[in-house]
Amino acid sequence: EPEVTQTPSHQVTQMGQEVILRCVPISNHLYFYWYRQILGQKVEFLVSFYNNEISEKSEIFDDQFSVERPDGSNFTLKIRSTKLEDSAMYFCASSESLYSYEQYFGPGTRLTVT
Amino acid sequence: AQTVTQSQPEMSVQEAETVTLSCTYDTSESDYYLFWYKQPPSRQMILVIRQEAYKQQNATENRFSVNFQKAAKSFSLKISDSQLGDAAMYFCAYRRRGGGATNKLIFGTGTLLAVQP
Repeated sequence: EPEVTQTPSHQVTQMGQEVILRCVPISNHLYFYWYRQILGQKVEFLVSFYNNEISEKSEIFDDQFSVERPDGSNFTLKIRSTKLEDSAMYFCASSESLYSYEQYFGPGTRLTVT
Repeated sequence: AQTVTQSQPEMSVQEAETVTLSCTYDTSESDYYLFWYKQPPSRQMILVIRQEAYKQQNATENRFSVNFQKAAKSFSLKISDSQLGDAAMYFCAYRRRGGGATNKLIFGTGTLLAVQP
């Protein structure tokens, strides 16, 4: 069964460094999402992406964040200058269309900012 | 703004027994989805069951069923005949439904379910 994959599974970085988290959505899906979960807190929506542009973003998704679909398979989340409070589990998800009820999640990337 | 609340951080059940996980939500919308997602240790979240708000009948998927009380804004998950493989974090989630609606999921904080042999 097709799955969403994410790399790396764990990333450690120093404060102020740039990180890129990578995701490979399910191949025929058109909508892509990033969520994050700070330890002990809720899973929070960051951004959704369709047709090579952001369709919605949360207030968390400020200028330090960007998303890109650099080729036909990858979907990336870049954090330009990481802060301690960016430490979290980041989940990528994809869905077939806007009206699909199900979003398929990847296993997550644990980002640790030191 | 919509919110989802799970008041049980942890639950435990004996194998073969039944357990109910609670979820309440708040919304002013009338058309929406509610979901239960399961996240096994070190694995991705998978959809367990969904409920459309316009449907009065409670959704059922094999051993999993929900008790959807729209007026009370309550959406509990019942797991019957619990199995060791049911041990996981369970997230309740909400999503608006309808043309042009946002498709973001709003999650609760999760309930960690342990299954005792």
